[in-house]
Amino acid sequence: QKEVEQNSGPLSVPEGAIASLNCTYSDRGSQSFFWYRQYSGKSPELIMSIYSNGDKEDGRFTAQLNKASQYVSLLIRDSQPSDSATYLCAVGYGNNRLAFGKGNQVVVIP
Amino acid sequence: GAVVSQHPSRVICKSGTSVKIECRSLDFQATTMFWYRQFPKKSLMLMATSNEGSKATYEQGVEKDKFLINHASLTLSTLTVTSAHPEDSSFYICSARSPSGTTDTQYFGPGTRLTVL
Repeated sequence: QKEVEQNSGPLSVPEGAIASLNCTYSDRGSQSFFWYRQYSGKSPELIMSIYSNGDKEDGRFTAQLNKASQYVSLLIRDSQPSDSATYLCAVGYGNNRLAFGKGNQVVVIP
Repeated sequence: GAVVSQHPSRVICKSGTSVKIECRSLDFQATTMFWYRQFPKKSLMLMATSNEGSKATYEQGVEKDKFLINHASLTLSTLTVTSAHPEDSSFYICSARSPSGTTDTQYFGPGTRLTVL
């Protein structure tokens, strides 16, 4: 099983602030990276995918990838209460499979 | 697009019975689907890869005779938990590989919460 690490504890941010989430992975050969959002009791929903080094922006979300450092991050700008959820980092590996991190809980305080 | 459904959403059964969970891709054909299991406050653990028309590929440590997977069509994969026991109680989630975009973007079904008494 490939390792995907999300080591930060729960993150509390005030409404309107930036939430920053980090993820590292073990397989240097991985080429695809994803961020999923999971509300309590629900299944994950795809927020962002990124494949090349650098930044990728989609609305209030920005994913950043650094393959040399085996690091991928997610920024949430102008955080809203509806952003309160667990964010899962996922890394692609052989045969189109995904390895998931344990997730980071984000709480946006109104 | 890329909508995946699961049925049932919740099931409670007695120990020793078998439970079948269906996963359907509603608006696309999925040659590959995946089955995950998630325990409370834990991440998703891949159980197996379901390939249409062929045998499923199971991850290390997952008993293929206990978790039977059938992918008989391009829109349906089923997971049967045989002789279920309380330790099988979990949130089971399927995903399907999107036919557009990259080869490994996965879209998830809503999940099935299994409780074995």
